[in-house]
Amino acid sequence: DGGITQSPKYLFRKEGQNVTLSCEQNLNHDAMYWYRQDPGQGLRLIYYSQIVNDFQKGDIAEGYSVSREKKESFPLTVTSAQKNPTAFYLCASRGQGPYQPQHFGDGTRLSIL
Amino acid sequence: DAKTTQPPSMDCAEGRAANLPCNHSTISGNEYVYWYRQIHSQGPQYIIHGLKNNETNEMASLIITEDRKSSTLILPHATLRDTAVYYCIVRVADAGNMLTFGGGTRLMVKP
Repeated sequence: DGGITQSPKYLFRKEGQNVTLSCEQNLNHDAMYWYRQDPGQGLRLIYYSQIVNDFQKGDIAEGYSVSREKKESFPLTVTSAQKNPTAFYLCASRGQGPYQPQHFGDGTRLSIL
Repeated sequence: DAKTTQPPSMDCAEGRAANLPCNHSTISGNEYVYWYRQIHSQGPQYIIHGLKNNETNEMASLIITEDRKSSTLILPHATLRDTAVYYCIVRVADAGNMLTFGGGTRLMVKP
């Protein structure tokens, strides 16, 4: 089935450690997005990419990094510089056409040990 | 993006229609209305979107008023699995735009 796969579902990070969250899509979508959601809050954009080998910062990019080497994949690294990384991380993708909706994965919940 | 206003919570009996309102009085001519929902601990799920005509798909119907200042999402036969937070979003089409999720409406479907 076509869709967006995020892994792992749960992730624990030690202090000073970088961790990478995976996001893979088989929808042939050009645009991909990373959001952060804190308890009881809406979504905040971390990074987005409209095409392979190109990406832009969102509102809260500090302490995060991304790459877009393949159309299907848009991994997010949470670096040690992100001082409050505990959150629910959501990846989305969007097909071509200006009015296409974004489709989301099931998220990765990151916690600090 | 235009601001939206939704009631914070609603209840609906299982098997009945759930009608979720959204006010977007400042909507501009090129902004679409999108609806998403989020079930606890899952990613948001796209439901439906429209510009000015009413829309229907396998999940729901979207009714947009003639002046486009408000809309209603209709789940025709609500089930317990429809319990979720429903978000109404108004935005201009732009591949780079993020989605701004407001508070949404927490729909509780009761047996």
